[in-house]
Amino acid sequence: NAGVTQTPKFQVLKTGQSMTLQCAQDMNHEYMSWYRQDPGMGLRLIHYSVGAGITDQGEVPNGYNVSRSTTEDFPLRLLSAAPSQTSVYFCASSSLSGGSSYEQYFGPGTRLTVT
Amino acid sequence: AQSVTQLDSQVPVFEEAPVELRCNYSSSVSVYLFWYVQYPNQGLQLLLKYLSGSTLVKSINGFEAEFNKSQTSFHLRKPSVHISDTAEYFCAVSDVHTGNQFYFGTGTSLTVIP
Repeated sequence: NAGVTQTPKFQVLKTGQSMTLQCAQDMNHEYMSWYRQDPGMGLRLIHYSVGAGITDQGEVPNGYNVSRSTTEDFPLRLLSAAPSQTSVYFCASSSLSGGSSYEQYFGPGTRLTVT
Repeated sequence: AQSVTQLDSQVPVFEEAPVELRCNYSSSVSVYLFWYVQYPNQGLQLLLKYLSGSTLVKSINGFEAEFNKSQTSFHLRKPSVHISDTAEYFCAVSDVHTGNQFYFGTGTSLTVIP
């Protein structure tokens, strides 16, 4: 049971480039989410999904796109990278059925630098 | 939407001394409360949670937190800290009715001094 996995661990992009951050979970969780972590600002929700085919915006969605074609995967796409998107990105998942009491499980993070 | 306030951004404390990390949230509606810990260059791990029942909850490594509904607080305490407790601590809140949408505080960096 790998939990929540994220790739890559590190990435450097030039302004204007696009890329996809991968996230996968093997716990059959319905809920998945993406956060960004910036110094002094805690974690801010970018997008989330309550199941395959359903996504919604969080607090800071601009410049990011998501899709959820399977229960396991929830990729985050940066459409045209900007220096303001330099951050550490975390993916998380949780059960909606209450079995694990809404605890969110986090991946190890992706450190992204945009130059 | 909820907001979560962690008043102390940095807390230095000597080894074996007690520590309290403060957390207040904005709404008086029914909430779930969580403390997460983040060790350097790692993801977040759940430390403890309050869902219902006893207002005092404990972790396996000696931390405890008490839910105070009237003060909308969920402060984290440990009577005697160790070097290994050095980490970033995040308080998080979710609304009982929406469940999974978490609101995080800005974090408290705990540094244990030998």
